Amino acid sequence: DADVTQTPRNRITKTGKRIMLECSQTKGHDRMYWYRQDPGLGLRLIYYSFDVKDINKGEISDGYSVSRQAQAKFSLSLESAIPNQTALYFCATSHRGGNTGELFFGEGSRLTVL
Amino acid sequence: KQEVTQIPAALSVPEGENLVLNCSFTDSAIYNLQWFRQDPGKGLTSLLLIQSSQREQTSGRLNASLDKSSGRSTLYIAASQPGDSATYLCAVRTRSGNTPLVFGKGTRLSVIA
Repeated sequence: DADVTQTPRNRITKTGKRIMLECSQTKGHDRMYWYRQDPGLGLRLIYYSFDVKDINKGEISDGYSVSRQAQAKFSLSLESAIPNQTALYFCATSHRGGNTGELFFGEGSRLTVL
Repeated sequence: KQEVTQIPAALSVPEGENLVLNCSFTDSAIYNLQWFRQDPGKGLTSLLLIQSSQREQTSGRLNASLDKSSGRSTLYIAASQPGDSATYLCAVRTRSGNTPLVFGKGTRLSVIA
């Protein structure tokens, strides 16, 4: 089983719909992140959380919101999806101690907004 | 603002060749640098992590070096194989462990049998 699990893996939706992408991890890490990846633009940070009560905006947070329900769960919501939010979304985790900052990724959630 | 650049964007080499992938960054006050591999449509797999106090890290046929003063890191792949074909991304964490990683756009490597 994957250490960082994203659901759904693929989703097609229509403009204006509310979408939630979920991420859960079994690594015991305290830090979680949401990135989106677009061809030619690379990976960009949407939101990140260093613990359950900590939420921080990333480079491109407009149009998105997040919830850290537990240390192991971090969800990303699109309140009203639009076509330019079509992308590959990645959840990632890291831990404060040890090899600080080493990032581990989920397999990605491909979202298409029509 | 930290910017990370990877050149070339794509590279094609024959099997067996040794090769070097380049990563440059604009702010030399880095905390650590991480190299990843990404297969098409898949997530990123961590290859090597270099802390700011280190000059290089090795794992199997991979060797990553770090030169903070010049703002450069290289990923050396020895005796390349077709299975090495993937996109390789470099990411930098600046100044402290509490800042997120900034990613380059990657180098797409093709190893031809």
